[in-house]
Amino acid sequence: GQQLNQSPQSMFIQEGEDVSMNCTSSSIFNTWLWYKQDPGEGPVLLIALYKAGELTSNGRLTAQFGITRKDSFLNISASIPSDVGIYFCAGHSIIQGAQKLVFGQGTRLTINP
Amino acid sequence: GAGVSQTPSNKVTEKGKYVELRCDPISGHTALYWYRQSLGQGPEFLIYFQGTGAADDSGLPNDRFFAVRPEGSVSTLKIQRTERGDSAVYLCASSAHPPTSGAYNEQFFGPGTRLTVL
Repeated sequence: GQQLNQSPQSMFIQEGEDVSMNCTSSSIFNTWLWYKQDPGEGPVLLIALYKAGELTSNGRLTAQFGITRKDSFLNISASIPSDVGIYFCAGHSIIQGAQKLVFGQGTRLTINP
Repeated sequence: GAGVSQTPSNKVTEKGKYVELRCDPISGHTALYWYRQSLGQGPEFLIYFQGTGAADDSGLPNDRFFAVRPEGSVSTLKIQRTERGDSAVYLCASSAHPPTSGAYNEQFFGPGTRLTVL
């Protein structure tokens, strides 16, 4: 099935460093979402973006909806140990299907204390 | 309040067997979704229910997969003649009634059922 192109696949950083990950698609989306998934749990929504060009922050997290509506990035500033996990981007399109989400392959974040 | 719950949390079965996976959505949520997450991948859409009916089943991989939601609440995903390739985490999500515009309504995910087919 269709998946978004998410990079990098994995990141190994030191505590306190900033993190950046991005997602691209060949299709336009009306909504971009960023999720975090911990082991044995389902994805939890971090940030939702609804307008092209929108820049939204949630604490140390900042995400942007690309102006072409085909890409998005997520930044995490001053990483802490609890940021460890897998981050997924997801897109929703009114055109492509009622309510299904299309996900990226994920970025696995590991933090060295 | 209670979130989405899924049972069992783990299921090990043999190739060729039949399995049922259960999802209890958040109370009052009319929309329910099933996704499949293979190892190292993001979730992939399987089916979406609005109330009792399947509004979109375009993600079901083949006719061995079937899902029901007879009373508009609990849903069961059924897999017949399981194959080793069916091994994955099956995630369920629910959301409040989506707007008629089709705009996104936040989906809340359960912890998933890890299915292993030997």
